[in-house]
Amino acid sequence: DGGITQSPKYLFRKEGQNVTLSCEQNLNHDAMYWYRQDPGQGLRLIYYSQIVNDFQKGDIAEGYSVSREKKESFPLTVTSAQKNPTAFYLCASTFGGQGDEQYFGPGTRLTVT
Amino acid sequence: AQKITQTQPGMFVQEKEAVTLDCTYDTSDPSYGLFWYKQPSSGEMIFLIYQGSYDQQNATEGRYSLNFQKARKSANLVISASQLGDSAMYFCATDPSSNYKLTFGKGTLLTVNP
Repeated sequence: DGGITQSPKYLFRKEGQNVTLSCEQNLNHDAMYWYRQDPGQGLRLIYYSQIVNDFQKGDIAEGYSVSREKKESFPLTVTSAQKNPTAFYLCASTFGGQGDEQYFGPGTRLTVT
Repeated sequence: AQKITQTQPGMFVQEKEAVTLDCTYDTSDPSYGLFWYKQPSSGEMIFLIYQGSYDQQNATEGRYSLNFQKARKSANLVISASQLGDSAMYFCATDPSSNYKLTFGKGTLLTVNP
């Protein structure tokens, strides 16, 4: 079955620690995206990558970092510099053209205390 | 920059009735797309329907249709014959031709009553 996997579903960390969220897709999509969702809000774009070894900042990239070493994988690191890291994080992928729907993973709910 | 406005934080509908969820957009791009996604309480985003800015006809997908009025910059989602499983958050989004990044609205929480 083709799709996007994110792990883990729930993640708990202490303040000051970096944490990496996993995102893997087997859809052969070129483009991958990371979004953040806060309660009562829509999705906000953190980073996106349209091709391997290249990525661009989204609207709220501060305190986050990514890598795209393989087409299938786009991990997101939430660093200690992110002031309010507790949120729901969604990864998505698409072939990358206009009108191509983005396929989403199940999400990771990160709680930092 | 693009902006999506969804003015209805919550909507209620009786089972088997139709409901319209509002979406207005603002973009300076001459070519763009409009999407609707459904987010159940589980959190996963489910694609529902797409409309291109140059499409002459309104998009339809099963019980979902998109009422696209370009001059008014609106792209309302119509769900016919509502079902209990339609209860979820619904998000409108747009992607301009310039960068294919999706910009989302804040969503509308739809509750279908039996």
